[in-house]
Amino acid sequence: AAGVIQSPRHLIKEKRETATLKCYPIPRHDTVYWYQQGPGQDPQFLISFYEKMQSDKGSIPDRFSAQQFSDYHSELNMSSLELGDSALYFCASSLNWDATFSGNTIYFGEGSWLTVV
Amino acid sequence: AQSVAQPEDQVNVAEGNPLTVKCTYSVSGNPYLFWYVQYPNRGLQFLLKYITGDNLVKGSYGFEAEFNKSQTSFHLKKPSALVSDSALYFCASGGLTGGGNKLTFGTGTQLKVEL
Repeated sequence: AAGVIQSPRHLIKEKRETATLKCYPIPRHDTVYWYQQGPGQDPQFLISFYEKMQSDKGSIPDRFSAQQFSDYHSELNMSSLELGDSALYFCASSLNWDATFSGNTIYFGEGSWLTVV
Repeated sequence: AQSVAQPEDQVNVAEGNPLTVKCTYSVSGNPYLFWYVQYPNRGLQFLLKYITGDNLVKGSYGFEAEFNKSQTSFHLKKPSALVSDSALYFCASGGLTGGGNKLTFGTGTQLKVEL
C-alpha cells in the first residue's frame, strides 16, 4: 500500500539559509500534518491542512510557513534557519480532518532529517 | 499540559516474557487514544487506537491495549516480547478535548527486549 512520501530524507543547511521539505500524502487523503521531533524529544505538532486550507496551528515559528497544493501535496518552508531547527520533520496524512476522533487513522512518513550547521 | 503521560523512560524485558508500556491520560470528556512505534531512524508506525467500544483494543504485530477509565490508563501490552519489538513507543491523544484534530504525544518509552 502507498505510504506518505517525504523528500528529501536528509538535508544539511547552514545558519540563516532556507530549506523546503515536501510531503506527498497517501492517495485520497485530504489532510496533511507537519510535526517536528528534536533529538530525544516527542513529536511536536506544527501545522495542518485540510482541503488546502490551514486547519490547525501549533508551535510553528514565524520563520516557517507551509501550504497544501491542489494535488494535496504539502511543502514546509523554513527560513533564517537556526541551529535549534535541527530535527526530524514528519509529515502525516489522513482521510478527513477529524481523524483523531473518527474511524480514520493518521499515517506518518519516514521523516526528513534537517541538520543546520 | 500534556494530555497523556508515559511514566517510564525505558522498559527492559526478556524475550518471551510479557511486556507492558504504560500510558495515563488526563483528557476530559471522551478520550481518543493511540499508540505509535518508532524504530531507529524511521517514521512513526500506527499500532492501535481507542475511539469507542471494547476496552481491549487489538492492533498490529500482536500488540493490544486496555482502556481503563477508572485508572485513566491505556497501557500497551504484548503477551510474548520479541527482540524485534525493541523501539520507541509513543502514546498519543486526539479528539476535540485531547488535542483537537491532531495528535498530542507523550514523551515516549524506549522498549528494550533482550535475549
